Amino acid sequence: DVKVTQSSRYLVKRTGEKVFLECVQDMDHENMFWYRQDPGLGLRLIYFSYDVKMKEKGDIPEGYSVSREKKERFSLILESASTNQTSMYLCASSTGPSAYEQYFGPGTRLTVT
Amino acid sequence: GQSLEQPSEVTAVEGAIVQINCTYQTSGFYGLSWYQQHDGGAPTFLSYNALDGLEETGRFSSFLSRSDSYGYLLLQELQMKDSASYFCAVRDRDQAGTALIFGKGTTLSVSS
Repeated sequence: DVKVTQSSRYLVKRTGEKVFLECVQDMDHENMFWYRQDPGLGLRLIYFSYDVKMKEKGDIPEGYSVSREKKERFSLILESASTNQTSMYLCASSTGPSAYEQYFGPGTRLTVT
Repeated sequence: GQSLEQPSEVTAVEGAIVQINCTYQTSGFYGLSWYQQHDGGAPTFLSYNALDGLEETGRFSSFLSRSDSYGYLLLQELQMKDSASYFCAVRDRDQAGTALIFGKGTTLSVSS
């Protein structure tokens, strides 16, 4: 079974803090993705990576950065957390160029106060 | 711009059949995926259509018409456990480094 794990299920941070969200997959997948999910807005892509050290901006990259130093690990960084970044963050991975079947982690619910 | 439209909510009773539609407007099209997400859970992959027609997987079927930029997910013999959100997603490029474009989701409520 493909397993995608995220470092925290719940996280509370203060405005202005630097926040790291980690995602690890155990299936040697090339592609990894970070989404945020807000009620009524569906899944919005923040960043994705199709190879180690490669990254591509998604639809809403502002205020975020990513790091992929190893194939199995994809980190999302909030450089200076703000209250409008309070959300559910979902990591996903997939294999092959088509990426139509993505495997999601359990999510991290981040609250910025 | 790129957009996927699906109804925000659908309600049905146990044992019934329900169809969740998805229309898309994207710069390219290489396939339509469907995902299910239970409340508090992670999205899970249900099906994928790259070509026109119907794909059946147990109680769930997915249909695609590329000429109409339209697809649907058909759920038969509904059960309470089918209450969840359903997302359609389009693959708009055929190359490495492609992400999916997701719709906003349809919340299905199944009652007894």
